[in-house]
Amino acid sequence: DADVTQTPRNRITKTGKRIMLECSQTKGHDRMYWYRQDPGLGLQLIYYSFDVKDINKGEISDGYSVSRQAQAKFSLSLESAIPNQTALYFCATSDDCGLAGHKNEQFFGPGTRLTVL
Amino acid sequence: QQQVKQSPQSLIVQKGGISIINCAYENTAFDYFPWYQQFPGKGPALLIAIRPDVSEKKEGRFTISFNKSAKQFSLHIMDSQPGDSATYFCAASKYGQNFVFGPGTRLSVLP
Repeated sequence: DADVTQTPRNRITKTGKRIMLECSQTKGHDRMYWYRQDPGLGLQLIYYSFDVKDINKGEISDGYSVSRQAQAKFSLSLESAIPNQTALYFCATSDDCGLAGHKNEQFFGPGTRLTVL
Repeated sequence: QQQVKQSPQSLIVQKGGISIINCAYENTAFDYFPWYQQFPGKGPALLIAIRPDVSEKKEGRFTISFNKSAKQFSLHIMDSQPGDSATYFCAASKYGQNFVFGPGTRLSVLP
């Protein structure tokens, strides 16, 4: 089984609709992230969470919200989707980055391709 | 200051050739420089990483060269294979903080 799973894998929606993307992990990591990938722009951080009670905005949080329901679950919501939110969305996890004995590595899910018409 | 620049945007290499992808950063506080590899339909995965206390790290056919004074680092893929065709992202981070990713390089290795 995959360590980081995302649902749905593909979604087509219409402008103005509310949509939720879900992420689950079995790696036991405290840190979880949501990224957006657009061609030529790389991976841009939307939100991140270092534990269940911690939520932080990334570089492109406008128009998005998140919920950390449990250590293993981190969901991303678009309250009112717009066409320029059409992109590939990735969830990622990591342990305590850079601490002694820990490899500073992020583990990515397979992605959700979202199209907003 | 937080930006990581990456070039080229795309690269075509013949099988057996050397692929070279370059990255540059501004923030001298960055102390960890990974490369991620992404195949179509998959999420990125860590390929190789380096810290600034060494100038080179090699893992199999993959080598990172790091130039601290120039604030540049590069990925070299020796004896490139069609299976190496993927998108490669460089990144940088400061201890315990989030990654800043480059825009990516799409590599195609021709058989």
